[in-house]
Amino acid sequence: DQQVKQNSPSLSVQEGRISILNCDYTNSMFDYFLWYKKYPAEGPTFLISISSIKDKNEDGRFTVFLNKSAKHLSLHIVPSQPGDSAVYFCAAAPGAQKLVFGQGTRLTINP
Amino acid sequence: ETGVTQSPTHLIKTRGQQVTLRCSSQSGHNTVSWYQQALGQGPQFIFQYYREEENGRGNFPPRFSGLQFPNYSSELNVNALELDDSALYLCASSRPDTYEQYFGPGTRLTVT
Repeated sequence: DQQVKQNSPSLSVQEGRISILNCDYTNSMFDYFLWYKKYPAEGPTFLISISSIKDKNEDGRFTVFLNKSAKHLSLHIVPSQPGDSAVYFCAAAPGAQKLVFGQGTRLTINP
Repeated sequence: ETGVTQSPTHLIKTRGQQVTLRCSSQSGHNTVSWYQQALGQGPQFIFQYYREEENGRGNFPPRFSGLQFPNYSSELNVNALELDDSALYLCASSRPDTYEQYFGPGTRLTVT
């Protein structure tokens, strides 16, 4: 069963605009959520995280929103830059042991 | 600050063989987790090591085993390789009782 889902395999956004990546989860026991970015031939790079007791966390151009009632989180990138083109993974943590990842969304920023 | 390193970068093995992958954790991190990432999928948790003991395991058979050493480096061993074991194997390190894990570049394993 896929406990963390990223339903959009790909997303294309114009440079300077907002990119919004979405993630849904099914397990209400998840208490922490993270976003990672992955370039080809590299490991995932940690971007931003949010605890389940919050509904928003911001770090520079990146903002994560959490809607617990809908079991939904999103990552907003504004303004989008060409270097943001990568695969983005949403991950959820049922504790500090393991991360449960979604399938990823490939973001392409067009000039 | 030294990041997570993994070796080798690429590896080709034959079905039925055994393989050992290695990982050095980031400076200051004493917890190591291993993940398997199949093509087009997100990483899947294999297991985690803390204080040289297994500290959680995902849905992987016993032929996947690991070790952690006193310097916090770690090994992933896979016995009786199967074709489906072909994947990118990622190591991540973290501080204990924290959620953020920091990943190495991975080892690409191909089983023929």
